[in-house]
Amino acid sequence: KAGVTQTPRYLIKTRGQQVTLSCSPISGHRSVSWYQQTPGQGLQFLFEYFSETQRNKGNFPGRFSGRQFSNSRSEMNVSTLELGDSALYLCASSLSGGYDTQYFGPGTRLTVL
Amino acid sequence: AQKVTQAQTEISVVEKEDVTLDCVYETRDTTYYLFWYKQPPSGELVFLIRRNSFDEQNEISGRYSWNFQKSTSSFNFTITASQVVDSAVYFCALSEAGSGAGSYQLTFGKGTKLSVIP
Repeated sequence: KAGVTQTPRYLIKTRGQQVTLSCSPISGHRSVSWYQQTPGQGLQFLFEYFSETQRNKGNFPGRFSGRQFSNSRSEMNVSTLELGDSALYLCASSLSGGYDTQYFGPGTRLTVL
Repeated sequence: AQKVTQAQTEISVVEKEDVTLDCVYETRDTTYYLFWYKQPPSGELVFLIRRNSFDEQNEISGRYSWNFQKSTSSFNFTITASQVVDSAVYFCALSEAGSGAGSYQLTFGKGTKLSVIP
């Protein structure tokens, strides 16, 4: 089975721009979660989707948004980028969320200049 | 609110030494799951183990073993006879039940960077 895939792997943007990251979960997995990893804050939960519905959201500003499609693929969008948004964005999928084991993709490294 | 603490920021050991990575958690739920993940330099988080709050049996998988103690809210990870390939950042994480703020998400510790020196 193919693992979680994320595109693009690397991205460079400038302040004020917006960006969209994509995640394809493991086949059969219906839950997709997003995490931000920075040296200062560590791994922080952004949001979780299941059957196209957001079930939980972390403590991030409204500039961070996401969605999930009927095929379980997910995208996250960050608008009006700030320097502090530079991070590794990790996507994880699981069968149905909750206690299920989350399997992570390789991440998208976003650099904001 | 849930919290995971990994007090050891960095550990260095010489190859073939045993090493234990500590993890202490806080939660108000009686039902929860604990996880360990490994993050090599490539960046991808690799799942190692999942343990539920009702199962306090220790687990061994090859050179890896885990000690779960509810009385001390700890879930420690030991690598026996460490190898250079074990060099990575290791994360402990907690997942809670129910529909509250902690559900459907992993709460991670800050991670422990393990360096195994040949």
